[in-house]
Amino acid sequence: QSALTQPASVSGSPGQSITISCTGTYNDVGHYPYVSWYQQRPGKAPKLMIYDVTYRPSGVSNRFSGSRSGSTASLTISGLQAEDEADYYCCSYTTSSTRIFGTGTKVTVL
Amino acid sequence: QVQLVQSGAEVKKPGASVKLSCEASGYIFTTEYVHWVRQAPGQGLEWMAIFNPGGGGTNYAQKFQGRITMTSDTSTSTAYIELNSLTSDDTAVYYCARGSRYLDHWGQGVLVTVSS
Repeated sequence: QSALTQPASVSGSPGQSITISCTGTYNDVGHYPYVSWYQQRPGKAPKLMIYDVTYRPSGVSNRFSGSRSGSTASLTISGLQAEDEADYYCCSYTTSSTRIFGTGTKVTVL
Repeated sequence: QVQLVQSGAEVKKPGASVKLSCEASGYIFTTEYVHWVRQAPGQGLEWMAIFNPGGGGTNYAQKFQGRITMTSDTSTSTAYIELNSLTSDDTAVYYCARGSRYLDHWGQGVLVTVSS
């Protein structure tokens, strides 16, 4: 099974909003509302930012939001800050009861 | 607080096996699934497998079928993964993580290097 498709890079200026897409198929993103998003800084373990498409764990800024339409999920970062510069990965539950990650997106704050 | 602490770095020769550990604390070990995820140098995250410490159930990404064994020791709240028939393509940082639909806590990761 191929990885979910994400843009390789997205950039924005401080204060702007950016959106990262995550495209899968009916067997994963399009089937279950179980998409999560992870932030990974260099040399660090990933950190959960969004779960079940739209929910934020305690402690995650409300500048991060998630959505889903059909087989594409999206992560939006509003009010972009320098600290948001990192790699972001989506992840979906699949019809085989496995999980699958996206290809990853490098976010750059200009 | 929830913590997952992984064992130290490993260097293995091609064809060998490696067994990694993940010691959990701060929650009831048998009530949460454990995932294994790896990341090759400069590459993205790759989901490998999920293990249920409470019942022993497992599920694997198809590419790892037959090459992975997952176990646990509930007396020490430790999960293990063994990967066999290593090749240079298995050189990566390996993470354990807790969760079911999503992975809410992660270990620090351990580098496994496969080299002759």
